[in-house]
Amino acid sequence: EAGVAQSPRYKIIEKRQSVAFWCNPISGHATLYWYQQILGQGPKLLIQFQNNGVVDDSQLPKDRFSAERLKGVDSTLKIQPAKLEDSAVYLCASSSHPSSYNSPLHFGNGTRLTVT
Amino acid sequence: DAKTTQPPSMDCAEGRAANLPCNHSTISGNEYVYWYRQIHSQGPQYIIHGLKNNETNEMASLIITEDRKSSTLILPHATLRDTAVYYCIVNFGNEKLTFGTGTRLTIIP
Repeated sequence: EAGVAQSPRYKIIEKRQSVAFWCNPISGHATLYWYQQILGQGPKLLIQFQNNGVVDDSQLPKDRFSAERLKGVDSTLKIQPAKLEDSAVYLCASSSHPSSYNSPLHFGNGTRLTVT
Repeated sequence: DAKTTQPPSMDCAEGRAANLPCNHSTISGNEYVYWYRQIHSQGPQYIIHGLKNNETNEMASLIITEDRKSSTLILPHATLRDTAVYYCIVNFGNEKLTFGTGTRLTIIP
């Protein structure tokens, strides 16, 4: 099966600019996650979608971050305006049955964002 | 709050078994132990999970102590491609996984 696809692979922007990341999950996976991974740390969950609805966005900085999954498949994560501390790798993951202990998360290779 | 404790780094000789420990002394009765790994410049990859019994798959074995307060991930014949950061996570399921800083395993030729 094809894995989780993310683009772009790298992005460099100046602070206060906006940026968007795209994710295409594994076909048939209803649940989609966005994680942020700062250098030297483990990934931190930003938002979880079940189909096109938000399940958990408690750790998403909503004043500058937004995410959508309009048709329950692809998803876009946006930052506007970006700050220096947003420099990180943004990882997308999907799973088929999130509440099942037997359904692992499948991650993409992420988008590395550098804010200057 | 971290639910697991792992050594920050370990080395292992190529071809030997790599044994990665994880302490989870506050684990509750219905929480699972999950292991993921992250190779440089890639996203995390699922390895294995378990509840009480030892588990084995094509990638690794998971040994959980009888009191469930600790576990060990075993890579039976480590190769250079096993160099990665290994994350031990305890959770009720696969939702909302909380990653710590993991163990950086280096396989030495």
